Parts: sequence; C-alpha cells; structure tokens
Amino acid sequence: GESVGLHLPTLSVQEGDNSIINCAYSNSASDYFIWYKQESGKGPQFIIDIRSNMDKRQGQRVTVLLNKTVKHLSLQIAATQPGDSAVYFCAEIRTGFQKLVFGTGTRLLVSP
Amino acid sequence: NAGVTQTPKFQVLKTGQSMTLQCAQDMNHNSMYWYRQDPGMGLRLIYYSASEGTTDKGEVPNGYNVSRLNKREFSLRLESAAPSQTSVYFCASSERALYGYTFGSGTRLTVV
Repeated sequence: GESVGLHLPTLSVQEGDNSIINCAYSNSASDYFIWYKQESGKGPQFIIDIRSNMDKRQGQRVTVLLNKTVKHLSLQIAATQPGDSAVYFCAEIRTGFQKLVFGTGTRLLVSP
Repeated sequence: NAGVTQTPKFQVLKTGQSMTLQCAQDMNHNSMYWYRQDPGMGLRLIYYSASEGTTDKGEVPNGYNVSRLNKREFSLRLESAAPSQTSVYFCASSERALYGYTFGSGTRLTVV
C-alpha cells in the first residue's frame, strides 16, 4: 500500500551542528509534501512544505530537498539548537485527495 | 486566535464506558480531522470531514463515531471504550489539505 516512512528513528546531534532528517515515500503520484515538528506534549506544527515541481525550498534555518527520482525527502536544519529537539514528521498528499499521509517520525535530540 | 481547541486534555475511562472528545476551530476551515497517535506508529487517521455535513472513514475508524456539528465543531465519540483505544488523540483542520493542517494540542486518553 501507499506509505511514507523515515529511515532513522532517533538522531542525536550537538548544538551548532547541521541536522538532516530523511523520509522515503512510495506513492509516485504524491505532489505535495510537508514537514511537521512535534514537541513533547504538543500537537504537530507546520515547518515547511514543498510541491513536486520543486527540488528545494528554504525557510529560516530549514531547507527541504525533494528527489522525485528516488522518492526521497529530507529536512535540513542549520545550526541546530536545543529548542529544535522534537519529533519530526514528513507527510504527503496527492492533488484531489483530502488527506495527508504521515510518516512514523524521527526524534531529534540536541545536546548543549 | 485560539486555532484548534480540544477538550478534555486528559481522560481516564474504564473499559466499556463512553465519552465524546470535543474539537473546535476558529479559522473558518472547511475540513477537519481526527487522528490517533501511538508510540512508534505515527499519526493515523480515524475520521475526517471534508466539509460541513460530510464525514468519511480514515485508516482506523472501528470503535469510533464522529459528528460534524457545524463548520466549527467536529466531535469524536467512543461508544464502548477498550484498552486498545488508549492513545493520544489529535484534531486538525485545514482550508484545503494542500495548505497543510493546524493541529490541536491533543487529548491523552487512558482506558483501564
């Protein structure tokens, strides 16, 4: 069936390092992708999105890369801070469908 | 602005009891969603409402019912709670799924 998944369940980095969180998706018809951040005890929060007609999109300290050839998505966080510690989810959707499909999440741990 | 408000935040039920989880959004969004989140399972869609007056099943609808009371409110009912329904429940809303979702802060439900 269709699925969105993550390669690394936990990523530990030092403060100031750059972090890369990866995500694989199986539905080649997906054309919109979102990264969410979920802090402990809170609901997921939108970070950044990208459409399938783009390869890269940058935000504040975050960059999302999309490789449609291998169906791979990544989230890069520059100069990672302790406040970035959270679980990160990727999600995908196809135009015309009503529902986002979420991956299982990667926990990012940032040490001071 | 409150965004998406869920009540209650915590609840303990005995097996067989019933309860309704409430969700309200003040962003005039058309679509609303109920997810459950279990450790290592990511977010799984229970039910969704693409617009006022419509509801549809998601991945894991068994044991649940929903009501889209009006454009603002979307409730989730457990008619006869089971321990397998112990989870964190999130409500979300969106203008359109392609614009991403706004999540509530969740309801932590324990069924004993």
